[in-house]
Amino acid sequence: AQKITQTQPGMFVQEKEAVTLDCTYDTSDQSYGLFWYKQPSSGEMIFLIYQGSYDEQNATEGRYSLNFQKARKSANLVISASQLGDSAMYFCAMTDQHDYKLSFGAGTTVTVRA
Amino acid sequence: DSGVTQTPKHLITATGQRVTLRCSPRSGDLSVYWYQQSLDQGLQFLIQYYNGEERAKGNILERFSAQQFPDLHSELNLSSLELGDSALYFCASSVEGGGGETQYFGPGTRLLVL
Repeated sequence: AQKITQTQPGMFVQEKEAVTLDCTYDTSDQSYGLFWYKQPSSGEMIFLIYQGSYDEQNATEGRYSLNFQKARKSANLVISASQLGDSAMYFCAMTDQHDYKLSFGAGTTVTVRA
Repeated sequence: DSGVTQTPKHLITATGQRVTLRCSPRSGDLSVYWYQQSLDQGLQFLIQYYNGEERAKGNILERFSAQQFPDLHSELNLSSLELGDSALYFCASSVEGGGGETQYFGPGTRLLVL
């Protein structure tokens, strides 16, 4: 069974600074996918970034990058140059080769201060 | 805009009633997933369909049922509603429903059972 752990319930970050959101995962499969989603206060779930277990390079999408450390089973999200609109809940999630559903962590709330 | 549509956006009903939530996947996506988000349970997978067939089942109550129609839209039926069924219900879609595929979420249906 998959398991995702997000240990930071809430974080504050100053506008224009970078913030790192922690995510560790547990799976016995060799093939798996790691995802980050953003949920603003309006409620929708917005896909941010994906990392495959066999990808050798860390994924990047604009201001988002995923710090993938396979041996440590961690997939931290880095948001660079934070903006006020980045204030939201962020979820780490995964699928694996036996289980195609998304298993989510508890989420981390990010509040960006001006 | 993810391209996934859900209706209605909000639903208020009474205990014991039955409701139907509707989802249209992104154009070209064959797989639909339903998730429930509540304060106490977090994000939980309910059920997945692929091209009209049930593919995987999660923590879905017997009072809940779903189906995917030939035009690929899906409906989630919730019956004998209880107060604890109040939650945000998401539909997501992906191309073929395999591991490693990004699931794109609809805006959700916020259900309040009084």
